[in-house]
Amino acid sequence: LAKTTQPISMDSYEGQEVNITCSHNNIATNDYITWYQQFPSQGPRFIIQGYKTKVTNEVASLFIPADRKSSTLSLPRVSLSDTAVYYCLVAFNQAGTALIFGKGTTLSVSS
Amino acid sequence: EAQVTQNPRYLITVTGKKLTVTCSQNMNHEYMSWYRQDPGLGLRQIYYSMNVEVTDKGDVPEGYKVSRKEKRNFPLILESPSPNQTSLYFCASRTQAGLDGYTFGSGTRLTVV
Repeated sequence: LAKTTQPISMDSYEGQEVNITCSHNNIATNDYITWYQQFPSQGPRFIIQGYKTKVTNEVASLFIPADRKSSTLSLPRVSLSDTAVYYCLVAFNQAGTALIFGKGTTLSVSS
Repeated sequence: EAQVTQNPRYLITVTGKKLTVTCSQNMNHEYMSWYRQDPGLGLRQIYYSMNVEVTDKGDVPEGYKVSRKEKRNFPLILESPSPNQTSLYFCASRTQAGLDGYTFGSGTRLTVV
């Protein structure tokens, strides 16, 4: 299973764009990259998933370079409510069942 | 509303007293899974199920049992709870394709004294 590495913590201010990069050097051909958000004492919430290039939804964008050894979650114009832990996961295939959560990145947004 | 429902939300029990944490999803998802979350250790998978009557161990299955008799339900059973099973537990489900990732429940905070 591909291991992921992401920063332990990041700080930002309201209104700024935040980019969280995740390294996954051992990603396999069938692996998808998925990001989750978790607030204290709540279950993780799916944010976005992608395989290559760029994926965008209503809350975030995911950039994946051609070699797929890293990915960047981009949160546009963060607010205080975006303060949370963000997890980067690499699923061993799209239909796979194993989700390996690392330590995640704690994002702190200040006013 | 599409959701994963866990019960109870909070539970304090004594060592050795069997307990069951229920999990139910209303999205007709094939895959279901249980995780525990502990400070400094993150989320770790306990058991998962690919469909009815199909279950498999995750990373930390010792001391736990599961069953998948119906598609919507995936109870977590602790036959003889011990203090090291004090944790925050999450149930999750997803479709076979997994395009929208897992949907997680709100969690069950278990304390074993």
